[in-house]
Amino acid sequence: NAGVTQTPKFRVLKTGQSMTLLCAQDMNHEHMYWYRQDPGMGLRLIHYSVGEGTTAKGEVPDGYNVSRLKKQNFLLGLESAAPSQTSVYFCASTSGVGQETQYFGPGTRLLVL
Amino acid sequence: AQSVTQLDSQVPVFEEAPVELRCNYSSSVSVYLFWYVQYPNQGLQLLLKYLSGSTLVKGINGFEAEFNKSQTSFHLRKPSVHISDTAEYFCAVVSGGYNKLIFGAGTRLAVHP
Repeated sequence: NAGVTQTPKFRVLKTGQSMTLLCAQDMNHEHMYWYRQDPGMGLRLIHYSVGEGTTAKGEVPDGYNVSRLKKQNFLLGLESAAPSQTSVYFCASTSGVGQETQYFGPGTRLLVL
Repeated sequence: AQSVTQLDSQVPVFEEAPVELRCNYSSSVSVYLFWYVQYPNQGLQLLLKYLSGSTLVKGINGFEAEFNKSQTSFHLRKPSVHISDTAEYFCAVVSGGYNKLIFGAGTRLAVHP
């Protein structure tokens, strides 16, 4: 039982390049979330999904897209990376029943030059 | 919309001393509060949560927090800290359904020998 895993762990991009971050969970959770963490700002919600095939915008969705084609996977895409997207990205999941704990992945550190 | 304020960005403390990390939230009818801990270069893990019932909540690693509705606070305490408690601590509140979390900016706890 690996919990929540994220791929890759580190990435360096040039401005304008695209990439996809993969989040996978093996807990059969319904809800999944993507956050970004920036110094002094805590974690901010980018997008979330409440089930396979559904996605919704969070607090800071601009410049990102997501897909949830399979229940266990939640992909975060950057179509044209900008330096402002330099951050640490965390994925989380929860069962969706009540106010349950979110389980977090180890994070992806992204640097956009 | 809900919001969370962590009143101290950094808290230095000596080993075996008590510590309190402060968290205030904006008022709402139903409040579900969490404290997460992030060790260096890791994801977040749950310390404790308040959903209902007793206002004193006990968590892992000897931490506890008290929900105070009149003061809209959820301060985290530990009577005697260890070097291994050095980490960043985040207070969070559920906001807007689907278990979406709003995080505070974080408090960096530095325990010195």
